[in-house]
Amino acid sequence: NAGVTQTPKFRILKIGQSMTLQCTQDMNHNYMYWYRQDPGMGLKLIYYSVGAGITDKGEVPNGYNVSRSTTEDFPLRLELAAPSQTSVYFCASTSSGRAEEQFFGPGTRLTVL
Amino acid sequence: KQEVTQIPAALSVPEGENLVLNCSFTDSAIYNLQWFRQDPGKGLTSLLLIQSSQREQTSGRLNASLDKSSGRSTLYIAASQPGDSATYLCAVPSGNTGKLIFGQGTTLQVKP
Repeated sequence: NAGVTQTPKFRILKIGQSMTLQCTQDMNHNYMYWYRQDPGMGLKLIYYSVGAGITDKGEVPNGYNVSRSTTEDFPLRLELAAPSQTSVYFCASTSSGRAEEQFFGPGTRLTVL
Repeated sequence: KQEVTQIPAALSVPEGENLVLNCSFTDSAIYNLQWFRQDPGKGLTSLLLIQSSQREQTSGRLNASLDKSSGRSTLYIAASQPGDSATYLCAVPSGNTGKLIFGQGTTLQVKP
């Protein structure tokens, strides 16, 4: 049982480049999330999805885009990377929006130079 | 707006000591509270999930309590070991879409 998987594990981008962070879950969860974690801080929500075809902004969405064409996949797109997007990105999923445990992927460590 | 605070930010204890990590939240209308462990450079591992109707949840040497009325949760670690060294995060869901609001974490060091 793979759970939540993320690729790549590490990436270095130059300012202005673009990339897509991949996230896949095999638990048939409807709810999926993207968080970022800056050094010494807790996690902040970037975008979330409550099902295929439905996405919404979180607390810090600027500079990012998402799509949800299938239940399993929830990619995060960075356009025109900036140094402020240097962070660790975590994808998570859960089966419902209220009282269920949330499962996290191993993270993608991104540096923008 | 829900805010989650964890105190202390860092804690260093000798091996074998019992310890308590604190988590407080401003809005008591929560569905649950989740405690996570994060090792350096790694992802989050779920430790315990306490539903709003529960007062306590136990897993091995870990015991988490929840007091909604006072907006507090504690994570009790019994007989601490060097392998317990990690950052511990608490989080509560906001609204009915499961979005988690995290505290900033407590970094625990257990010295042999």
